[in-house]
This record gives sequence, C-alpha cells and structure tokens, in this order.
Amino acid sequence: QSVLTQPPSVSGAPGQRVTISCTGSSSNFGAGYDAHWYQQLPGRAPKLLIYGNSNRPSGVPDRFSGSKSGTSASLAIIGLQAEDEADYYCQSYDSSLSGLGVFGAGTKVTVL
Amino acid sequence: QVQLQESGPGLVRPSETLSLTCTVSGGSISNSYWSWIRQPPGTGLEWIGYIYSTGSTNYNPSLKSRVTMSVDTSKNQFSLKLSSVTAADTAVYYCARRHDYVENWGQGILVTVSS
Repeated sequence: QSVLTQPPSVSGAPGQRVTISCTGSSSNFGAGYDAHWYQQLPGRAPKLLIYGNSNRPSGVPDRFSGSKSGTSASLAIIGLQAEDEADYYCQSYDSSLSGLGVFGAGTKVTVL
Repeated sequence: QVQLQESGPGLVRPSETLSLTCTVSGGSISNSYWSWIRQPPGTGLEWIGYIYSTGSTNYNPSLKSRVTMSVDTSKNQFSLKLSSVTAADTAVYYCARRHDYVENWGQGILVTVSS
C-alpha cells in the first residue's frame, strides 16, 4: 500500500482531457515536498514527465501539465493521443521513509 | 545527454547476493546523486536507495539490512549489492540519476531469483 494514492485507471477518447489524481498526506505533499510524474510505456523504462509540481523537461509536449495543492497533486493530459496510452506514476519524498522517494501505485491511461 | 546502463547477472539463486553495476556515460558521476529503483513484474516502483559520488548513502528501511551501494568515480560506475535474496526480489532493476526525482533512467535489467 503506497503512501501516495492514485486511481488504478482512467480513460478518454482522442482529443479529450483526462486528469490523474495523486493523494498524499502531511508527511509528503503536506510537508511541502514536490510532486513529480513519470510515464511508462509498455516494456520501457519510466520517463520523467513533470518535475517540481509543474515543470516539463525539454521535449515533453505542453499537452502534459501538473499541479499541486495541499496534500494532493494532479497530472492533466489535454488533447489525449493514442501514444499517451501508458502507465503514469506520481512520486514525492516522504518523511516516514528516511527521506527516500516514494511512488504512487500507478494509473493506467487507456485511449478509447 | 547523460545515459545509464545496468549490467549484471539476470539469474540469481535464492540466499545468494544480487550484484549490479551501472555505467554512466555522457557526463561525470562526480558531484551528483545516483539511485537504484526496482519494479517487480506487473507492479509498481520501489526506491531501493541512493548514493552520492563521495560515497554517502541512504537506503530504504525495508531493505537496509541487505543493501550495499558503492561508487567508483575512476570508472564512472556505481553498484548495488542485495544479499540473501528470495523470489520476492525478482524485479526489473533500474539505475537512475538524482535522489529527489529521476532525471535519467537506465533501460532496466530483469533479475530473476530462482534455483
């Protein structure tokens, strides 16, 4: 059971907007630690999508956006595309884990 | 662009020690944090721990008694040893850059624990 809670799955039609929530607590997001997001395509290593709550690394399309408020964070995909079908993981620090990073259990995004 | 590549045995027998090495190219291993993360088949990601280029470490409390990480700056490599492995340690093991979030990932190596 992860300390960061994500929905197991979300789905949407091409062109739609989908959001993935990541619910934490006072020992991670609520303590001021940032949210980060990764995309994992089938059979591939994860790839950094969002860091520092809302920053996109070079090369990540601006269809992806992140935000954090209180003890929760969210990832939005605007204009869903077929190639966005993947697993998405949120990540933060948690003070209960000796300052190590912790991941959510992941959300499978299905493009209908 | 920094690239990372894991290497080591893909099969380890129960009770033995898993040993992996990560080779960093395209940049220096110095003055940076380096992590190991694993993903059991069909499940999520677990941070095993991290090491700074000077050798200081931070391990996951659930694995701390079995984990050792080291760094060899002359070879631009860092390593993971996990002792007394069981089937529960079967996973894809990733090496990664940074300790607060992962900026660069290796491609991953599947390690199976089986007799």
